[in-house]
Amino acid sequence: NAGVTQTPKFRVLKTGQSMTLLCAQDMNHEYMYWYRQDPGMGLRLIHYSVGEGTTAKGEVPDGYNVSRLKKQNFLLGLESAAPSQTSVYFCASRDSGGPQETQYFGPGTRLLVL
Amino acid sequence: TQLLEQSPQFLSIQEGENLTVYCNSSSVFSSLQWYRQEPGEGPVLLVTVVTGGEVKKLKRLTFQFGDARKDSSLHITAAQPGDTGLYLCAGATGAGSYQLTFGKGTKLSVIP
Repeated sequence: NAGVTQTPKFRVLKTGQSMTLLCAQDMNHEYMYWYRQDPGMGLRLIHYSVGEGTTAKGEVPDGYNVSRLKKQNFLLGLESAAPSQTSVYFCASRDSGGPQETQYFGPGTRLLVL
Repeated sequence: TQLLEQSPQFLSIQEGENLTVYCNSSSVFSSLQWYRQEPGEGPVLLVTVVTGGEVKKLKRLTFQFGDARKDSSLHITAAQPGDTGLYLCAGATGAGSYQLTFGKGTKLSVIP
């Protein structure tokens, strides 16, 4: 099993450009999440999904959109990138059990917006 | 918004020393998890505590959940260079408790 994979690993964008980050999991998990991690800020939840075809806003959703067309994939889109979106983005997935369930994280995508 | 305050933010100690990291909140969490993150990688779960007052041990690491389920601590005995990393606490929140609120992390450096 590959677990949680993220594509691309690193990307440089110019302000105003768009891009999509892809997250894939092979553990048949119901729940998937997108976080951003900035120095001194910990992990902040952008959007999440509790099942195929569903999405919901997290703590910092502005400037991002998501889609969960297939259970194994969770896409994060930036329509018009801004320098404030320079960050490391992590995808995670977990099973649909109780609060003790483990979130499994991908290796991250490093995004630089110039 | 439920907040988790982690302290200290940075910790640099000599190999063999003991240390404790704290995670505090004014909110009650249904469970609390501790993750460890190495540079260039995603966080990896160390432990989940669910019951107030619960203590779990993982080799040299001891985790405690406060009686009121608002705080937690991570104690490392005889730290080793391999313990170096970013330690994150995360509390389960939201209806169904499937969202995690993360603390800002404690960056630990263990010097040989």
